[in-house]
Amino acid sequence: DQQVKQNSPSLSVQEGRISILNCDYTNSMFDYFLWYKKYPAEGPTFLISISSIKDKNEDGRFTVFLNKSAKHLSLHIVPSQPGDSAVYFCAASGPDMRFGAGTRLTVKP
Amino acid sequence: EAGVAQSPRYKIIEKRQSVAFWCNPISGHATLYWYQQILGQGPKLLIQFQNNGVVDDSQLPKDRFSAERLKGVDSTLKIQPAKLEDSAVYLCASRLTENTEAFFGQGTRLTVV
Repeated sequence: DQQVKQNSPSLSVQEGRISILNCDYTNSMFDYFLWYKKYPAEGPTFLISISSIKDKNEDGRFTVFLNKSAKHLSLHIVPSQPGDSAVYFCAASGPDMRFGAGTRLTVKP
Repeated sequence: EAGVAQSPRYKIIEKRQSVAFWCNPISGHATLYWYQQILGQGPKLLIQFQNNGVVDDSQLPKDRFSAERLKGVDSTLKIQPAKLEDSAVYLCASRLTENTEAFFGQGTRLTVV
């Protein structure tokens, strides 16, 4: 079941630069999209979301972009900080909620 | 606001034994999910409840897994009998409505030996 795909298992960026995490989905029924951050031994923590009626949502250093025609969304983190190092999961919702495989982000000082 | 509570945090059992996990969602959240997360993979949806009714259990291995949500609040997930490949973290999440964020518990790490 690969309705949500994160094709980059890992990403390494320098502190202060931009991190861009990508996600693709296949099911047109999805109408709400979320990004979660996960540290080891903890449950996923909600980061930011976007409804299908929007193409951009911003919250501080985090911005999510949605391209419905391409069934693609991305998470931008600017500027990246070492504390952002974690695994990031993309999720797509409607009516159930499915997750991608995750991208491990490492921000180097 | 109290978060999603799960217990136990860790469980080690032998194959063919039974195990049960418990989840207490955030008060008022009608939607409850159980996910299985195998190491290195994303969370895989096992079952979704809306109040005490099942919305989606298409990926639940029904020959060995069962789940219930009595009175539309707490939920239990059971595995009987367990196999080695069931070793994973089992995550419970709850949600107020479809277009809001879901909140996760800390998960139960199951090791089947």
